[in-house]
Amino acid sequence: DVKVTQSSRYLVKRTGEKVFLECVQDMDHENMFWYRQDPGLGLRLIYFSYDVKMKEKGDIPEGYSVSREKKERFSLILESASTNQTSMYLCASSPNPFYQPQHFGDGTRLSIL
Amino acid sequence: KQEVTQIPAALSVPEGENLVLNCSFTDSAIYNLQWFRQDPGKGLTSLLLIQSSQREQTSGRLNASLDKSSGRSTLYIAASQPGDSATYLCAVNGNMLTFGGGTRLMVKP
Repeated sequence: DVKVTQSSRYLVKRTGEKVFLECVQDMDHENMFWYRQDPGLGLRLIYFSYDVKMKEKGDIPEGYSVSREKKERFSLILESASTNQTSMYLCASSPNPFYQPQHFGDGTRLSIL
Repeated sequence: KQEVTQIPAALSVPEGENLVLNCSFTDSAIYNLQWFRQDPGKGLTSLLLIQSSQREQTSGRLNASLDKSSGRSTLYIAASQPGDSATYLCAVNGNMLTFGGGTRLMVKP
């Protein structure tokens, strides 16, 4: 089975902090994704990566950056956390998103105080 | 821009009923459509993926259909059980996944 692991289930940070969310997958997938999920807004794509050191903006990249130094690891970075970034963050991976499903981690619930 | 709508937003049924969840989308230029299940406070579990060239996919008590020309998909759950209680999300894959708002299902014993 595909395993997508997010490093923290719950995280509390303060405004202005630099926050790192980590995601690791164990299936050698080329493609990895970061989403946020908010009540009433659903899931929205922040960034994705189709290869090491490659990244593409999704629908809502403002205030975020990403890093993919190794194939199995995709990090989401909040450069200067703000309260409107309080959300559930979900990481996913897929070998080929056009033909095969995306597999999700359990999510990180991030609170910015 | 792709828009995905799921109706109803919430559904409550007695155990044993067969039920249908609906998903509609505005742009038929898609690669595939995926159905997910999400339990409270958890991530998404992939249930079924239908390629754009397919009409349906089945897994156990679940059957998903796709009518790309009319922009519709349905998820059929046979003989529902309390363990099926969760939020069900459909997602349409154009250049990226676009998610519907979900249907919150409760199956009462």
